[in-house]
Amino acid sequence: DQQVKQNSPSLSVQEGRISILNCDYTNSMFDYFLWYKKYPAEGPTFLISISSIKDKNEDGRFTVFLNKSAKHLSLHIVPSQPGDSAVYFCAASETGANNLFFGTGTRLTVIP
Amino acid sequence: EAGVTQFPSHSVIEKGQTVTLRCDPISGHDNLYWYRRVMGKEIKFLLHFVKESKQDESGMPNNRFLAERTGGTYSTLKVQPAELEDSGVYFCASSRVGGVWGYTFGSGTRLTVV
Repeated sequence: DQQVKQNSPSLSVQEGRISILNCDYTNSMFDYFLWYKKYPAEGPTFLISISSIKDKNEDGRFTVFLNKSAKHLSLHIVPSQPGDSAVYFCAASETGANNLFFGTGTRLTVIP
Repeated sequence: EAGVTQFPSHSVIEKGQTVTLRCDPISGHDNLYWYRRVMGKEIKFLLHFVKESKQDESGMPNNRFLAERTGGTYSTLKVQPAELEDSGVYFCASSRVGGVWGYTFGSGTRLTVV
């Protein structure tokens, strides 16, 4: 039933190292993928996205990789900073849709 | 510009009672969405308004949930009667154009049904 899965509920990383957050999806019709970041008591905020015509998109310290054949995407944060500590949600959508399918989130803790 | 405002931020009600959640979108945003996150689970789509019209309500769990957006401005989500499984965080989001780009989420209403 769940079409977007984030199998790691939590991840701890030392400051300055790389954080890798993973996401898998089952619906082959998904062609847009987004990552959201959420701090406590706040709503999710958009971080970075990728379309299925690409396999990589980079924005500063954040890079998203898409492997369509494996139905897998990952978010790389390098170098990780304590302010990156938050819950990260992977989300997906189809062309023309107005709603997003989210994963369960991964809580990232960056240790100073 | 002001962000998406939701209130109350927290609500604790007894099973069987009624609760109304409110969302004020960003001014000028015709598209308004409701999502819900049950504890530890994924954030799930509930419905989508374009102005005052319900564009897609496929995610509404059952007829105990009623969403309105009179006049195409703020929206309310009423749960009546509330059940224990309705507990969770209800997020509202708005966007100027349709599609999944440009969502701005509110900080959510945490609903606890006891």
